[in-house]
Amino acid sequence: NAGVTQTPKFQVLKTGQSMTLQCAQDMNHNSMYWYRQDPGMGLRLIYYSASEGTTDKGEVPNGYNVSRLNKREFSLRLESAAPSQTSVYFCASSRTGTPGNTIYFGEGSWLTVV
Amino acid sequence: EDKVVQSPLSLVVHEGDTVTLNCSYEVTNFRSLLWYKQEKKAPTFLFMLTSSGIEKKSGRLSSILDKKELFSILNITATQTGDSAVYLCAVVPSGTYKYIFGTGTRLKVLA
Repeated sequence: NAGVTQTPKFQVLKTGQSMTLQCAQDMNHNSMYWYRQDPGMGLRLIYYSASEGTTDKGEVPNGYNVSRLNKREFSLRLESAAPSQTSVYFCASSRTGTPGNTIYFGEGSWLTVV
Repeated sequence: EDKVVQSPLSLVVHEGDTVTLNCSYEVTNFRSLLWYKQEKKAPTFLFMLTSSGIEKKSGRLSSILDKKELFSILNITATQTGDSAVYLCAVVPSGTYKYIFGTGTRLKVLA
């Protein structure tokens, strides 16, 4: 019963390096999300994908790109990492519909940029 | 701009106490409100509320929504140390697929 799986769990990057966080869900959900969580800031939406083939910016998209590879997978790329991107990143998914559905989270990816 | 505000930011209580956590929101065209509990890792789902005045209950936890005054409360009775966590509130505006989270309330329950 995997749910939402994200990799890697921990990563240390040097400023200017690039990396991709991978996320996959096995619940046949239409919508997928990337959030970052910083102390005292709650969960802030970076990008989301309402359905396969679409992506939209969230609250804090600068410095990130995403790819909805297929219905199962949604990746987050940092092209040139900065110390301000040190954070915990959560991927999530939900079944689109009304009146709103539960969003399910992965275990998180701890990223440190030095 | 859509906004979700939780209070208090943190709370320390003793086992057996009752706590009330607040979530107020300003969104255009509300669709649903969700409560999550976050311990060390991923947030886990507690409740989803869409209708005003209808209490959702699960064991010692309960929640209610007031759509007129734009807030929700999460009550935990007879708290236990295992209730120590960050409690997150999220709101989904109608016509979007975005879940907008508040900053959370950090609850610590002392034995």
